[in-house]
Amino acid sequence: EVHLVESGGGLVQPGGSLRLSCAASGFTFSRNWMNWVRQAPGKGPEWVGNINQDGSEEFYVDSVKGRFAISRDNGKNSLYLQMNSLRAEDTAVYYCVGRNYWGQGTLVTVSS
Amino acid sequence: EIVMTQTPLSLSVTPGQPASISCKSSQSLLHNDGKTRLYWVLQRPGQSPQFLIYEVSNRFSGVPERFTGSGSGTDFTLKISRVEAEDVGIYYCMQNRQLWTFGQGTKVEVK
Repeated sequence: EVHLVESGGGLVQPGGSLRLSCAASGFTFSRNWMNWVRQAPGKGPEWVGNINQDGSEEFYVDSVKGRFAISRDNGKNSLYLQMNSLRAEDTAVYYCVGRNYWGQGTLVTVSS
Repeated sequence: EIVMTQTPLSLSVTPGQPASISCKSSQSLLHNDGKTRLYWVLQRPGQSPQFLIYEVSNRFSGVPERFTGSGSGTDFTLKISRVEAEDVGIYYCMQNRQLWTFGQGTKVEVK
């Protein structure tokens, strides 16, 4: 059974940084593109970005380019999202999505 | 950016009756590989989203047969043949022809 478990969310001040992690199990992690999708309170999902199987390609939504970076460690079956220069509008539940499954999400709140 | 537009934005359905949601994309979702990159996603109240249908009409494992996806190019439809109480939630269409974008969502309530 596929499991995706996010962690690392919390309260951060505007301009701050946060690193999210996603632990994957139940499938061959190294063979799959992985995605981060976020959902602001009361809003629909918004794709943040993704990374290919070996980490050599990344794509991002325009609003996070230059501020967020996705990486992965296939040896640890883990996906990461480094978020810098955080803004209030980055406040959302962040989901790890891969192999057609979604994690339970981790809440990031950007506020002073 | 490919824009996804859903109608209606809300739907109230009597149990046992059918429901239909339309989704239109601003560009064709037909990929060079011959596959049309249109998904349907359901988010039940208080839960994470989950994929229901991929490539227009293919149900994921465990998705009931009452869910049917159809369409091509830029026009797509999700039909629920007989709505049940567990179908309550927000339905999103999603494309991954170019990156990923989601529709605004259709909130389905059961009367």
